[in-house]
Amino acid sequence: QQQVKQSPQSLIVQKGGISIINCAYENTAFDYFPWYQQFPGKGPALLIAIRPDVSEKKEGRFTISFNKSAKQFSLHIMDSQPGDSATYFCAATDGNNAGNMLTFGGGTRLMVKP
Amino acid sequence: DTEVTQTPKHLVMGMTNKKSLKCEQHMGHRAMYWYKQKAKKPPELMFVYSYEKLSINESVPSRFSPECPNSSLLNLHLHALQPEDSALYLCASSQSIGSTDTQYFGPGTRLTVL
Repeated sequence: QQQVKQSPQSLIVQKGGISIINCAYENTAFDYFPWYQQFPGKGPALLIAIRPDVSEKKEGRFTISFNKSAKQFSLHIMDSQPGDSATYFCAATDGNNAGNMLTFGGGTRLMVKP
Repeated sequence: DTEVTQTPKHLVMGMTNKKSLKCEQHMGHRAMYWYKQKAKKPPELMFVYSYEKLSINESVPSRFSPECPNSSLLNLHLHALQPEDSALYLCASSQSIGSTDTQYFGPGTRLTVL
């Protein structure tokens, strides 16, 4: 059972454009929502994260928008650059579970064209 | 230093071989993880160690045997693997197993089982 659904699976954006990736979750016990960026041949790296008591968080060109009532959150990449081309995973953790278990979305492969 | 190192980078083994994957971190983290990642898929949690004790085993077959010799090292012993076990094996660590504790991933070991 996929508890975090991510869309789209792939995304092509022109340089300077806005990349938008959406995620939806079912488990209302989730209390932390990180986004990971993964380049080919590398492990995932934390990009930005948000807690459900905040509706938006911005770090540089990256913004998370969070809608608790709709159980949805999204990543916006402003002024997208070719160097942003990577796979992005949304994730969620449940403070009630025993091991900081990340529930990942299916991933979005982003390609930013020069 | 937020680096998790993994060796080897690549490993090819036969179904009758015994091999080990190694992971090391020097961030003082007390939680360490093993993940398996297939191509174009998100990482799947295999094991969680907290304070050098196994706290989560996600129903992983016994041909995978984890070991945590000390707080900085994590091993994954492999024996009698199947071709479908070919994947990228990722190690991660975090300060503890709190839901907001960032997991830092290593670059992974690319495993091929012939």
